[in-house]
Amino acid sequence: DAMVIQNPRYQVTQFGKPVTLSCSQTLNHNVMYWYQQKSSQAPKLLFHYYDKDFNNEADTPDNFQSRRPNTSFCFLDIRSPGLGDAAMYLCATSRVGGGRGEQYFGPGTRLTVT
Amino acid sequence: QKEVEQDPGPLSVPEGAIVSLNCTYSNSAFQYFMWYRQYSRKGPELLMYTYSSGNKEDGRFTAQVDKSSKYISLFIRDSQPSDSATYLCAMTRSGGSEKLVFGKGTKLTVNP
Repeated sequence: DAMVIQNPRYQVTQFGKPVTLSCSQTLNHNVMYWYQQKSSQAPKLLFHYYDKDFNNEADTPDNFQSRRPNTSFCFLDIRSPGLGDAAMYLCATSRVGGGRGEQYFGPGTRLTVT
Repeated sequence: QKEVEQDPGPLSVPEGAIVSLNCTYSNSAFQYFMWYRQYSRKGPELLMYTYSSGNKEDGRFTAQVDKSSKYISLFIRDSQPSDSATYLCAMTRSGGSEKLVFGKGTKLTVNP
């Protein structure tokens, strides 16, 4: 089945230790997004890639970076995780063109910072 | 005023009840409206998608959009315990790569 896959599903890292989360998709969508979702809150967009063009949200901390080496894969790098970065990280994809705006989400990676 | 308002609940109903979930919004430029279902500790799952005003039905689910009132609804008929989840409304102005604006989500519990 075409889908959005995130690895790992659960990640524990130490305060200040860099961590990378990965996302892959078989939908062949040209846009990939990273969201942060804390408990009982709506997902908050961190950034997105439209093909290879990177678009950062104005309030995304510098601590968060992303890479998209090809259409299928996108990575979220957290350079120096703080306790406040513990959250669920969601990857989503969408296909631009055809006038539709829906996004398809992966299962998420739950990040714990100790 | 937030762009999208959604009552967080929690909402608890007996099995078989009709459930009504709602969002209001302030930006008249929104044209694409979505409902996502999110089970605990899982990613959001797209449930319904609607463009502009009108109704859309899919099985037990009906989505309604009233752009004149800036109000969207999701109705669940014959609710089941498996419908217990958080329901997030989301909307966007265009069909491009513009970000979704989410409501905070309504937590629904359907009791057997």
